[in-house]
Amino acid sequence: NAGVMQNPRHLVRRRGQEARLRCSPMKGHSHVYWYRQLPEEGLKFMVYLQKENIIDESGMPKERFSAEFPKEGPSILRIQQVVRGDSAAYFCASSLGTGLNEQYFGPGTRLTVT
Amino acid sequence: AQSVTQPDIHITVSEGASLELRCNYSYGATPYLFWYVQSPGQGLQLLLKYFSGDTLVQGIKGFEAEFKRSQSSFNLRKPSVHWSDAAEYFCAVAAYNTDKLIFGTGTRLQVFP
Repeated sequence: NAGVMQNPRHLVRRRGQEARLRCSPMKGHSHVYWYRQLPEEGLKFMVYLQKENIIDESGMPKERFSAEFPKEGPSILRIQQVVRGDSAAYFCASSLGTGLNEQYFGPGTRLTVT
Repeated sequence: AQSVTQPDIHITVSEGASLELRCNYSYGATPYLFWYVQSPGQGLQLLLKYFSGDTLVQGIKGFEAEFKRSQSSFNLRKPSVHWSDAAEYFCAVAAYNTDKLIFGTGTRLQVFP
């Protein structure tokens, strides 16, 4: 059973471009979480999605960031008009459900904005 | 607001020595607590978790952690460290009715032969 998959693993964008980060959850998992890890910091929650629904986006910046988890296909974290401060590692996690279910993390996408 | 504090940014131990990584949390109700390990360039792997019951929990790779409500702590321990344990360790807390994890800033463990 494949784990959580994220692609690309490394992404370089110039300021002003768009970044699209993909996350395929573990088989059977319908809950996806996105976290951001800035250099020398811990992970910060961004958004929690279930299929076709955003459940909690309290950690998402108000502008330029959006996330989706369509009925078919991976979850996408989209960053428009990237700035240098968006450079970070973005981790996706998935779980079977809420509450006591463990979140399994992907290897992350390292975004560098030049 | 919930928070997690890991007071030690960097710890260095000799291989074979014992290890204790500190974690303090701030949360009003009974917390769900986790320890994750992150190897360089990798994602996070769950070492152990505490939800309820026995306050001493056993995890993978020979790690254990003890929940102490009176001290708001959930320290991670290992009796004998191996060189392969060198990594970054994160403590996290989750509320019962939410699913987001709140992480500490991490402790980087270095192991000398």
